[in-house]
Amino acid sequence: EPEVTQTPSHQVTQMGQEVILRCVPISNHLYFYWYRQILGQKVEFLVSFYNNEISEKSEIFDDQFSVERPDGSNFTLKIRSTKLEDSAMYFCASRPALLASETQYFGPGTRLLVL
Amino acid sequence: GDSVTQMEGPVTLSEEAFLTINCTYTATGYPSLFWYVQYPGEGLQLLLKATKADDKGSNKGFEATYRKETTSFHLEKGSVQVSDSAVYFCALSDHLTGANSKLTFGKGITLSVRP
Repeated sequence: EPEVTQTPSHQVTQMGQEVILRCVPISNHLYFYWYRQILGQKVEFLVSFYNNEISEKSEIFDDQFSVERPDGSNFTLKIRSTKLEDSAMYFCASRPALLASETQYFGPGTRLLVL
Repeated sequence: GDSVTQMEGPVTLSEEAFLTINCTYTATGYPSLFWYVQYPGEGLQLLLKATKADDKGSNKGFEATYRKETTSFHLEKGSVQVSDSAVYFCALSDHLTGANSKLTFGKGITLSVRP
């Protein structure tokens, strides 16, 4: 069964460093998402991406964040200058079609720790 | 804005006990409702969903009914197993925001089932 994959599974970085989190969505899916979950808190939406551009972003997704689909298979989230409060589990998700009722399929997550 | 409220956890049950996890929502439109499950060390997996009022989603012995009058989507299982130990997330996707619809999650609840 096709699945969303994410790398790395864990990343430790120093405050102020750039990190790139990688995701490979399911191949025939059209919509892509990043979510994050700070320890003990809700899973929060960051950004959605369709047709090679951002379609919606949350207020969390400020200028320090960017997303890219560089080669038609990977979907990346970049944090330019990490802060302590960026420590969280980051989930990538993809969805096949237009309908909001369609299931989003999630990857296993990347646990980011900013020191 | 949209929101999802789940009962406080964690929940610990003995095997074969009855499970109810409460979930209520607030949405401006006509949401689809989802339960996702996260097993230890894994990503979020769809457990079940319902896309309109009075629909019942079911999977693996779990059920939830979309109750528009009480804005609820409580998860139930008649007889839990040790393998059901996981974190359970209630979520909604609001049709009014269109095809880019993000998921809005509850905080999640940890279920532990004792043999």
